[in-house]
Amino acid sequence: DIQMTQSPSSLSASVGDRVTITCQASQDISNYLNWYQQKPGKAPKLLIYDASNLETGVPSRFSGSGSGTDFTFTITSLQPEDIATYYCQQYDNLPPTFGGGTKVEIK
Amino acid sequence: QVQLQESGPGLVKPSQTLSLTCTVSGDSISSGSYYWSWIRQPAGKGLEWIGRIYTSGSTNYNPSLKSRVTISVDTSKNQFSLKLSSVTAADTAVYYCARDGYDSSGRRVYFQHWGQGTLVTVSS
Repeated sequence: DIQMTQSPSSLSASVGDRVTITCQASQDISNYLNWYQQKPGKAPKLLIYDASNLETGVPSRFSGSGSGTDFTFTITSLQPEDIATYYCQQYDNLPPTFGGGTKVEIK
Repeated sequence: QVQLQESGPGLVKPSQTLSLTCTVSGDSISSGSYYWSWIRQPAGKGLEWIGRIYTSGSTNYNPSLKSRVTISVDTSKNQFSLKLSSVTAADTAVYYCARDGYDSSGRRVYFQHWGQGTLVTVSS
């Protein structure tokens, strides 16, 4: 299985701050990477697909970049409603695997 | 817009079989070219893909669970189902069903649509 390593596991930032999360794959996955937002008690919500494509209806303050083994997810201006856990997920190889998650809190 | 809804017993005894159903609305489960997946999440932990069934009926399973998993589809009811045998406490989790989609360029978007999830507890 491809291992997905996310960092940090948690972070605290102020409203308006730029937030960056990284995800590293254990092997080359090209750009076959999704990013999700999960709020407590809710299903994950797809934000970014193919590493950098914004899902329809998702605010433009969310973005993704990277290819190969190293990926970055960015919130350009953190909003109170962005409090959630964020996951990366690869779909280059079966089984699809997820990162361990990054919990984002407001400082 | 497709919607998915999981259903099934919330409590299963150890060594028994967990059975869940995902009911699809807003689209026919037999139309298009989609993967219908099951994913689970133990409380406070990360996400684990269990397996999927394609519109054609072919299946893929996570090797870690393959010996215990069966995913099937019932087109007459517009549902697909998960069976997980010989469950233990480690199988206690929220179980989600999910489906992919396509973007405006025709590219497949994996796990684009999710159900709300259903909690299954394995306990005697």
